[in-house]
Amino acid sequence: SQTIHQWPATLVQPVGSPLSLECTVEGTSNPNLYWYRQAAGRGLQLLFYSIGIDQISSEVPQNLSASRPQDRQFILSSKKLLLSDSGFYLCACYRRDSGNTIYFGEGSWLTVV
Amino acid sequence: AQSVTQLDSQVPVFEEAPVELRCNYSSSVSVYLFWYVQYPNQGLQLLLKYLSGSTLVKGINGFEAEFNKSQTSFHLRKPSVHISDTAEYFCAVSKTDSWGKLQFGAGTQVVVTP
Repeated sequence: SQTIHQWPATLVQPVGSPLSLECTVEGTSNPNLYWYRQAAGRGLQLLFYSIGIDQISSEVPQNLSASRPQDRQFILSSKKLLLSDSGFYLCACYRRDSGNTIYFGEGSWLTVV
Repeated sequence: AQSVTQLDSQVPVFEEAPVELRCNYSSSVSVYLFWYVQYPNQGLQLLLKYLSGSTLVKGINGFEAEFNKSQTSFHLRKPSVHISDTAEYFCAVSKTDSWGKLQFGAGTQVVVTP
């Protein structure tokens, strides 16, 4: 089965500062990768997904961007954080031959102050 | 587009009592259905999923859910809960051709007390 690593686990950043959250996947190759965000008291929202290296699709307009420089690495970034970027960010991985199951990482807590 | 409604934001329940978490969805196309659990400060863990076949789906930790196409529902049940079942539960759907692109409900917080 896949293992998804996310870091940092917790992050406190001032408004206007940059952001980089990293996700790496082990135990699989050529997965689909996803970034979800969970804002306080709300469900999860899909932000980005990627079907391969340098292939990124954005689901909602926002202050964030994503990159996939390697097959098993997915990075979420921002040049200037907003207060509204605070939330719990989850990386997810899917491979059709893994039993059609979507696996999630442990998440990264971001607080923008 | 799909949407998911979890009808209860919070469900208090006593230990060893049954629990049902309600989930309704709307979609103009065929969907797959999922229930995930999130323990405090952790990621999401898959409880069960409906892809096709039998409408009664059994998952981990004694949970089961029933897919009702006519009522567009996918309610989650457990006949006897434990304190360790205290968590947030999310219902989610995806189009059958869009794996991984999940539409989540707002979540139901289950609080189990002795």
